[in-house]
Amino acid sequence: AQRVTQPEKLLSVFKGAPVELKCNYSYSGSPELFWYVQYSRQRLQLLLRHISRESIKGFTADLNKGETSFHLKKPFAQEEDSAMYYCALSDQLGDTGRRALTFGSGTRLQVQP
Amino acid sequence: DTGVSQNPRHKITKRGQNVTFRCDPISEHNRLYWYRQTLGQGPEFLTYFQNEAQLEKSRLLSDRFSAERPKGSFSTLEIQRTEQGDSAMYLCASSPTRGDTEAFFGQGTRLTVV
Repeated sequence: AQRVTQPEKLLSVFKGAPVELKCNYSYSGSPELFWYVQYSRQRLQLLLRHISRESIKGFTADLNKGETSFHLKKPFAQEEDSAMYYCALSDQLGDTGRRALTFGSGTRLQVQP
Repeated sequence: DTGVSQNPRHKITKRGQNVTFRCDPISEHNRLYWYRQTLGQGPEFLTYFQNEAQLEKSRLLSDRFSAERPKGSFSTLEIQRTEQGDSAMYLCASSPTRGDTEAFFGQGTRLTVV
């Protein structure tokens, strides 16, 4: 069964420090990986996905199939980055067209001034 | 707000009562998902619709849960004979059938069973 693991419940850093939120997955096929973010009192929203290979708000994530990891990184944290971050995996398009997400348990990032 | 809309935002009910939640997806999004999120956990998949057809149900969805999407637009999730273990945030998400696979989430309905 597919699984997403985020080992840290809380990551606290100072403003300007580098950030790395860890995500490991287990999946037998070729997954599509995402990072979702939830700011205080806001809805869950997509931050980035591995197929786009883009940087959003200074964050990047590289899919490492050998290590089955998809860690989220940012070189210099900002206070507005404080939020809950979820790593998620979407399985391949099946007969039903289902693209449901399997989420990790989330990491709360606190950026202190 | 043209995003996914969920009502009510909060629901407190007594154990044993039935509750129904509504989700209005983004217009023209064919795919609709329900998730449940308990404290300290990420969202867990419950069920999936493509248009009006419910194509998949998670093992998490017990017989007391039923979901509908009668006209392929809004969806309802009903929980019968609620239990304290049903207390959670219920999230709805929608996405288009083709192209972009991004799922857009609603703000959720927080259910508290007392």
